[in-house]
Amino acid sequence: AQSVAQPEDQVNVAEGNPLTVKCTYSVSGNPYLFWYVQYPNRGLQFLLKYITGDNLVKGSYGFEAEFNKSQTSFHLKKPSALVSDSALYFCAVRSAYSGAGSYQLTFGKGTKLSVIP
Amino acid sequence: EAQVTQNPRYLITVTGKKLTVTCSQNMNHEYMSWYRQDPGLGLRQIYYSMNVEVTDKGDVPEGYKVSRKEKRNFPLILESPSPNQTSLYFCASSLGYLADTIYFGEGSWLTVV
Repeated sequence: AQSVAQPEDQVNVAEGNPLTVKCTYSVSGNPYLFWYVQYPNRGLQFLLKYITGDNLVKGSYGFEAEFNKSQTSFHLKKPSALVSDSALYFCAVRSAYSGAGSYQLTFGKGTKLSVIP
Repeated sequence: EAQVTQNPRYLITVTGKKLTVTCSQNMNHEYMSWYRQDPGLGLRQIYYSMNVEVTDKGDVPEGYKVSRKEKRNFPLILESPSPNQTSLYFCASSLGYLADTIYFGEGSWLTVV
């Protein structure tokens, strides 16, 4: 079964400092990887994805993520955090394999990011 | 505007009283799914649908039913709700199961007393 681990329930970072939110995954075959953000009382919003190609992917709001196949990781990063980045972040994985039973999208438990002014 | 619309957004109901949470998308997406979000557990998939009349169980299907009679609609049915189904529910859709971008509804807060 596929799975996603976000080892930190909460990440605190000072405004202007770089931030990293960690994600590791387990899936059969090649992965499709995603990051979503959830603001209070809202649905999830797509940030970025890795499908194939460059290991460093850039997304919305200045976020980027690095795919590392050997470490099965897909950490979310931003060079300079803003207070408005404070939210709940979810990593998700889906198998690129198109066989039966591979159609699920599995989310991590989420990491709460707090950017301190 | 591309939208996934869920109703109701907030509901308090009693144990055993059947309820349906509707979900509708206006993007002609084939793939739709339901998730529940619980503190410390993240999002867990309940059911998904590859297309009309094609549905399958996710990770936590017990106590739920779904149907996909039309492409745009994917209702979630709780035949006999129990307190452990108190949760925040999200409907989502995408162009196909391998589509990269998934659109989420705003969520439905359900409390079963």
